[in-house]
Amino acid sequence: KAGVTQTPRYLIKTRGQQVTLSCSPISGHRSVSWYQQTPGQGLQFLFEYFSETQRNKGNFPGRFSGRQFSNSRSEMNVSTLELGDSALYLCASSPHPSTDTQYFGPGTRLTVL
Amino acid sequence: GENVEQHPSTLSVQEGDSAVIKCTYSDSASNYFPWYKQELGKRPQLIIDIRSNVGEKKDQRIAVTLNKTAKHFSLHITETQPEDSAVYFCAASEGDRDDKIIFGKGTRLHILP
Repeated sequence: KAGVTQTPRYLIKTRGQQVTLSCSPISGHRSVSWYQQTPGQGLQFLFEYFSETQRNKGNFPGRFSGRQFSNSRSEMNVSTLELGDSALYLCASSPHPSTDTQYFGPGTRLTVL
Repeated sequence: GENVEQHPSTLSVQEGDSAVIKCTYSDSASNYFPWYKQELGKRPQLIIDIRSNVGEKKDQRIAVTLNKTAKHFSLHITETQPEDSAVYFCAASEGDRDDKIIFGKGTRLHILP
């Protein structure tokens, strides 16, 4: 079974731009969560989607948004990028929300200049 | 909401010795506690998890203990090997309820030759 895939793997943007990251979960998994990983803050929860609905949202500004499609693929969007948005963005999938084992993708390394 | 504290932030252990990483959580309703291992440049991978109806769980050289009264749980690695060097994250979640998984900030484990 193919693992979680994320595209692109690396991205360089400038302040003020917007970015869209994509995550394809493991086949059959309907829950997708997004995390931001930085050296100082560790792994911080962004949001979780299940059956195309956002179930939970972390403490991030409204510039961070996401969505899930009917095939369970998910995208996250960050508008008006700031230098502090530079991070590794990880998505994780599981068959169902919350307590099912989460499988992480390789991440997208976003650098904001 | 849930808050997870993880200690220590860095741990150096002689090869063959044991390593212990501790986490505390704030929400007594949390009932699912996974541990993830993240090697340099790779994605976090689940290594063991425990649910609140269990006090201890072992998988070869890895064990996790949970003390619900004190609201803390620990990861124990025995007979450490060089490949155990990585960052370890603990996490807590309320499980079946609509809640997100909150991660600790991570422990960087160095196995010394």
